Amino acid sequence: QSVLTQPPSASGTPGQRVTISCSGSSSNIGSNYVSWYQQLPGTAPKLLIYRNNQRPSGVPDRFSGSKSGTSASLAISGLRSEDEADYYCAAWDDSLSALFGGGTKLTVL
Amino acid sequence: EVQLVESGGGLVQPGGSLRLSCAASGFTFSNYWMHWVRQAPGKGLVWVSRLNSGGSSTTYADSVKGRFTISRDNAKNTLYLQMNSLRAEDTAVYYCARDYSGWARFDYWGQGTLVTVSS
Repeated sequence: QSVLTQPPSASGTPGQRVTISCSGSSSNIGSNYVSWYQQLPGTAPKLLIYRNNQRPSGVPDRFSGSKSGTSASLAISGLRSEDEADYYCAAWDDSLSALFGGGTKLTVL
Repeated sequence: EVQLVESGGGLVQPGGSLRLSCAASGFTFSNYWMHWVRQAPGKGLVWVSRLNSGGSSTTYADSVKGRFTISRDNAKNTLYLQMNSLRAEDTAVYYCARDYSGWARFDYWGQGTLVTVSS
């Protein structure tokens, strides 16, 4: 089972907008919803985005998601120091498994 | 408040067995699909297994198929992962996660329990 493909790292300065990409295939992102998770150091992952672009209550609107074809993106605007974390995309695959991206480490410079 | 609390992790020798538990509270456990997800030290998240709300339908990652068994006791609000024939590469923090939709929307996670496979 392959993982979804994310860049290993991303960075930005406070106030900037950064995007993180997630590439899959027709059997996962292409035919199922994408979700995004934030993992702060030493903690469990937290749901950030579900159904491609929906935010759970409590997640700031600085976080947004989108999907096109077999790729998805997470955008973070107004970057803050507390956004420094690992970010993972996930999607169900038609082979009856859940797939995660390899994770992107976001650094706020 | 939704809570998921894992337990049962520890040090085990290669070839050994371990059973993880995930105690759920704050929601109607029997209404939700549940998953196990693991994370090796310094590595990313990897999905392990899924179980439907009634406990009758399971799916597994290829890497654990035939060695791990997921189950649940809805009367006790508890999810389990029986791990047999453990290998060094199974060393990881194991998280249980609630699936809101049944299709990998993990809306709540436990704090994780560390499994170390080593001689």
